[in-house]
Amino acid sequence: RKEVEQDPGPFNVPEGATVAFNCTYSNSASQSFFWYRQDCRKEPKLLMSVYSSGNEDGRFTAQLNRASQYISLLIRDSKLSDSATYLCVVNIKGNYGQNFVFGPGTRLSVLP
Amino acid sequence: GAVVSQHPSRVICKSGTSVKIECRSLDFQATTMFWYRQFPKQSLMLMATSNEGSKATYEQGVEKDKFLINHASLTLSTLTVTSAHPEDSSFYICSARSSFGQGGYGYTFGSGTRLTVV
Repeated sequence: RKEVEQDPGPFNVPEGATVAFNCTYSNSASQSFFWYRQDCRKEPKLLMSVYSSGNEDGRFTAQLNRASQYISLLIRDSKLSDSATYLCVVNIKGNYGQNFVFGPGTRLSVLP
Repeated sequence: GAVVSQHPSRVICKSGTSVKIECRSLDFQATTMFWYRQFPKQSLMLMATSNEGSKATYEQGVEKDKFLINHASLTLSTLTVTSAHPEDSSFYICSARSSFGQGGYGYTFGSGTRLTVV
């Protein structure tokens, strides 16, 4: 089983739609969680951290369920500019301190 | 905020040659840098973790003699792909851990290097 798994996608949605992405992780000792956004041929950029209490940033809402080892990202009123690949990232203790483990990503295309 | 400058952004080299990729932390000290590789339509895979002044730690399956990492200062880490072959063509990205107040920290990515070996 992969350490971080995501919806395979792609998601093709019309502008204004609400879309939700799911992510699961296998290491129960994972300490912190993030959603990153990656545009084609660019580096990943932090979208938001994910907290157990849930957190919201404008149209974006992230949720974490530690018991189920599940993370979600909800995008409301989607815009054309939201088209990108969304990466679920889990911070796990690696060979030398903490390191990030990236999910395979879910590609979103918002259509006019 | 923390900025990591990665250079070059794109490089094309001949098979058998070596390529050096640099990552510099511009406004903070990066004691630890991570090097990732991303093949088309795949996620980032950690290759190695480098710590200033010590040997890098490589992930399973990554050849340390082929991917040489040097982290000689607190602001510079380099990855050298030696004797590159077409299968090494990929997107290489570095990431540095930066600390900020109250014990928090974040990870900042370089802009990536697209390597094409012909």
